[in-house]
Amino acid sequence: GQNIDQPTEMTATEGAIVQINCTYQTSGFNGLFWYQQHAGEAPTFLSYNVLDGLEEKGRFSSFLSRSKGYSYLLLKELQMKDSASYLCAVSHSNDYKLSFGAGTTVTVRA
Amino acid sequence: GAVVSQHPSWVICKSGTSVKIECRSLDFQATTMFWYRQFPKQSLMLMATSNEGSKATYEQGVEKDKFLINHASLTLSTLTVTSAHPEDSSFYICSASEGQGGTDTQYFGPGTRLTVL
Repeated sequence: GQNIDQPTEMTATEGAIVQINCTYQTSGFNGLFWYQQHAGEAPTFLSYNVLDGLEEKGRFSSFLSRSKGYSYLLLKELQMKDSASYLCAVSHSNDYKLSFGAGTTVTVRA
Repeated sequence: GAVVSQHPSWVICKSGTSVKIECRSLDFQATTMFWYRQFPKQSLMLMATSNEGSKATYEQGVEKDKFLINHASLTLSTLTVTSAHPEDSSFYICSASEGQGGTDTQYFGPGTRLTVL
C-alpha cells in the first residue's frame, strides 16, 4: 500500500518562494511525480524524479530522497496564476499505478 | 505534444440513465489509459486501468458492471457509467501513457463533470 502525506494548505505572497513537502511509504518505488491542478481542471504534469537529487525546471524545482521517502516541490518567484492544488504522486514498481496524495492548495496573495 | 481530450466536458443526466465518456490521445499512441474519479476537495482515486485490446483492471471497490471500460484502439478509451445515480456525480478524469504507466508520464484529459439528478 501507499501512504502519501502532504500539507493541506499553504499561503504565500507574490514573488516569494514556497516549498511543498511530500513524504511517502511504499512497498515498491518507481518514481515520484508532481502535478498542478487548478480548480475544476485536470492535473498537468510538472516534474518526475526517480533518482535522488534536485531537478530544476524554470521557476519550479523538485527534490527526491529515496532513503528518506521524501520529496519537495519548490516554487520560486510566485505568481498569482500559481494558485492551485499541487499533487504528489508515487509510482510503484509492482503494478505501474500512481497513488496520489490529497494535494496541497497553494494560495498566492498580492 | 502529449495532448489528451475528453468528451463531453460536462453532462447532466437523470437517475437511471447511462452516460458514456470518451478519452482520446491526440498526438501519441496510448498503450495504457487510466480512469480516475475525484470528489470535491479530494484527490484523484484510480478506478481502473485499461490496455488496448484487453479487459480493464478495476480497483478494489469499483463495480466493473457499473463502470464499463472499453479500450478499443491505441488512441481511444471509453467509460460508460450505467444506471447512474446521484452518488455517481463526480469529476471523472482519464489519463494516457505511452507505456504501462510506471516511469512513463501520465497525461491527463480535461475531465468530465457528471451530475446525476
